[in-house]
Amino acid sequence: DVKVTQSSRYLVKRTGEKVFLECVQDMDHENMFWYRQDPGLGLRLIYFSYDVKMKEKGDIPEGYSVSREKKERFSLILESASTNQTSMYLCASSWGRRRLGLTDTQYFGPGTRLTVL
Amino acid sequence: GESVGLHLPTLSVQEGDNSIINCAYSNSASDYFIWYKQESGKGPQFIIDIRSNMDKRQGQRVTVLLNKTVKHLSLQIAATQPGDSAVYFCAENRYSGGGADGLTFGKGTHLIIQP
Repeated sequence: DVKVTQSSRYLVKRTGEKVFLECVQDMDHENMFWYRQDPGLGLRLIYFSYDVKMKEKGDIPEGYSVSREKKERFSLILESASTNQTSMYLCASSWGRRRLGLTDTQYFGPGTRLTVL
Repeated sequence: GESVGLHLPTLSVQEGDNSIINCAYSNSASDYFIWYKQESGKGPQFIIDIRSNMDKRQGQRVTVLLNKTVKHLSLQIAATQPGDSAVYFCAENRYSGGGADGLTFGKGTHLIIQP
């Protein structure tokens, strides 16, 4: 079974704090993704990575950065948290068949509910 | 299956009946589609996927239908059970042929099972 884990289920931070959200997958997947989920807006892609040290912006990258130093780990960083970043953050991973131009099933972690006060 | 404003569309069905959840997708060039189920407090769980070279795909108790002409996707759940209560999302790949480009999600449909 694919397992994607996220470092925290619930997190409360203050405005201006630097926040790290960690995601680890144990299936040797090449691709990893960060989404946020908000009521009425669904899931929106923040950043993704198709290889170690590689990253690409998704649809809403503003206010976020990412780091992928190891294949199994993908970190989302909020440099200076703001209240509008209060959300559910979901990490996902998938096999890599990018060279073939194929999209594969993404497997999600349980999510981190972040509250910024 | 697309929401209006902040309210998720809701589908209420009797236990044992078949459920059909619909989704309109936006990108005519998308070539990969997927359905997820999300229970309260959990991450989305994969149900079934389909590529654009197919019109229909069946899994255990679930069937996905793809109509590329009208950009419509549906999920059929046979003999609905209480454990099927959840929010269901359709998703398409953001760019065809991109591979690792992420998914674009619909807003979701809340399926409620009545005893």
